[in-house]
Amino acid sequence: SQQGEEDPQALSIQEGENATMNCSYKTSINNLQWYRQNSGRGLVHLILIRSNEREKHSGRLRVTLDTSKKSSSLLITASRAADTASYFCATDARGFQKLVFGTGTRLLVSP
Amino acid sequence: NAGVTQTPKFQVLKTGQSMTLQCAQDMNHNSMYWYRQDPGMGLRLIYYSASEGTTDKGEVPNGYNVSRLNKREFSLRLESAAPSQTSVYFCASSQVGLSSYEQYFGPGTRLTVT
Repeated sequence: SQQGEEDPQALSIQEGENATMNCSYKTSINNLQWYRQNSGRGLVHLILIRSNEREKHSGRLRVTLDTSKKSSSLLITASRAADTASYFCATDARGFQKLVFGTGTRLLVSP
Repeated sequence: NAGVTQTPKFQVLKTGQSMTLQCAQDMNHNSMYWYRQDPGMGLRLIYYSASEGTTDKGEVPNGYNVSRLNKREFSLRLESAAPSQTSVYFCASSQVGLSSYEQYFGPGTRLTVT
């Protein structure tokens, strides 16, 4: 069964708007990662947040982690058409090398 | 650097046929992984290799075998393909250390079993 569940499954916004996607997981973790997948391509690592961190920034990305609620959110500010992709969270709940991926959020950013 | 490469990009098999998916990385990473991605399911770990000479099962290992040929190469073999193995297969690698867990992915192999 999937450890992570992303919400929403799909998100459609205009360029310049912010996009927020959420990830929930079921068991304790040491870290949580976010990946992006462009259509027909492999995944690309975006950011990692550790269980003792609450918030992390990288460029236009902001990730939060709430271990008490077992949830994380990824915020992309000032979205661009090039941000159109699927976004996946991944946790190490089964071991630091046994990443468990969520089902993903499909983001469409229209010009 | 090419990163992680996979061959072939596409493959169509008949039920019962066998094939090997090849993966190579040029980043000198110690760990390598095989995942499958099905629509609406995210990625699921099939097998991984923490280091050269070791392999371990992931979440969905049934019907697959792997070989860590050397530090660079990690192959996935389907001995007798089944329609349920129709999927996109991704290889990944990482240099696992005190602060590094990022995985680097190949472009994928799209496999159809008829």
